Amino acid sequence: YALTQPPSVSMAPGQTAKIACGGDNIGSKSVHWYQQKPGQAPVLVVYDDSARPSGIPERFSGSNSGITATLAITKVEAGDEADYYCQVWDTTSGHIVIFGGGTKLTVL
Amino acid sequence: QVQLVQSGPEVKKPGASVRVSCKASGFTFTNHGFNWVRQAPGAGLEWMAWISGYNGLTNYAQKFKDRVTVTTDTSTNTAYLDLRNLSSDDTAIYYCARGGWAVVGDASDAWGPGTLVTVSS
Repeated sequence: YALTQPPSVSMAPGQTAKIACGGDNIGSKSVHWYQQKPGQAPVLVVYDDSARPSGIPERFSGSNSGITATLAITKVEAGDEADYYCQVWDTTSGHIVIFGGGTKLTVL
Repeated sequence: QVQLVQSGPEVKKPGASVRVSCKASGFTFTNHGFNWVRQAPGAGLEWMAWISGYNGLTNYAQKFKDRVTVTTDTSTNTAYLDLRNLSSDDTAIYYCARGGWAVVGDASDAWGPGTLVTVSS
């Protein structure tokens, strides 16, 4: 099972950034999203498709249907510039975790 | 507060083994599982293994099944990653991350700072 993310997304401050994560029938799986800034460990920003951990701004939201899961970041700020990774649990290949390749969000 | 404190950087020669530790505090160890994820220089995240802090159940990525062992010590609230037969391709930052206790699929909601392992002759 593989997850496909665009290598990069660029957005002006104040706009809405959408980062896609594609996978076969991904809508049937729970998708988690992580933000990783340079030199830092990843941080969970969305879990179980659309839930937000405490402390994560409401500007971060997730959706998942069909063959694409999406992380949306509204009112993008300079501090949102980071790599974003999607993750699923694949039970078809023996209960393993799969990460997408990551998307670099650049705030113009 | 939730903390995962990892062991320090390691420099190893090809063919050697390395152990990375992850000491947990601020939460009940046996209520969670622990994922091990690595990141090679300039690359993305790669999941290696998961272990339940509750019952020691494990899952491994196929790629690492023959070279990796993950364990826990509930008396010290510490998770361990053992990686054998190192090569230069194993040079990476190794992260432990708190996950669910029952299944590998839960999100990792807390991460350690990472341990840099460098493999060089």
